[in-house]
Amino acid sequence: NAGVTQTPKFQVLKTGQSMTLQCAQDMNHNSMYWYRQDPGMGLRLIYYSASEGTTDKGEVPNGYNVSRLNKREFSLRLESAAPSQTSVYFCASSEVSVETQYFGPGTRLLVL
Amino acid sequence: DQQVKQNSPSLSVQEGRISILNCDYTNSMFDYFLWYKKYPAEGPTFLISISSIKDKNEDGRFTVFLNKSAKHLSLHIVPSQPGDSAVYFCAASAAGNMLTFGGGTRLMVKP
Repeated sequence: NAGVTQTPKFQVLKTGQSMTLQCAQDMNHNSMYWYRQDPGMGLRLIYYSASEGTTDKGEVPNGYNVSRLNKREFSLRLESAAPSQTSVYFCASSEVSVETQYFGPGTRLLVL
Repeated sequence: DQQVKQNSPSLSVQEGRISILNCDYTNSMFDYFLWYKKYPAEGPTFLISISSIKDKNEDGRFTVFLNKSAKHLSLHIVPSQPGDSAVYFCAASAAGNMLTFGGGTRLMVKP
């Protein structure tokens, strides 16, 4: 039982490049989330998916797109990376309640 | 404007003593509060929570106190252990809506 897994662990991009961050959970959770963590800012919600087939914007969605591929997988795409998107990205999932979320280990992204 | 604030970026405590981490919030609609713990290179893990109908919740060495009138909550760790050294995030939600996180406090417990 791996919980929440994220790939890649670390990525360096040049400004304007695109990439997709992958997230998968094996706990049969309905809801999945993408956060970014910046120093002093805590975790800020980018997008979430309350159930398979639905996605909604969070606090900081600009510059990102998401896909809920199936119940297990929720991907985050940067179409044209910018240095302001340098951050650590966390995926999380929860069964029903938003409160108790299970987080993946994170993807550290550096945009030059 | 941050709705959940942790005003102390770091805290250093001697092993065996009490650690007190503080969190303030501005949104009076928040009705559920949580603390998450994060080690380096790992994702946050849930630690303890409290509903707004309570003022205290205890789980082993960890106790969370909620003061609704002051819009303040605190996490007490007694006794503190070196393994407790981590970043602690408080978070809040309103009516089951999305979590809002504070900026985090780095706790260092010295042996």
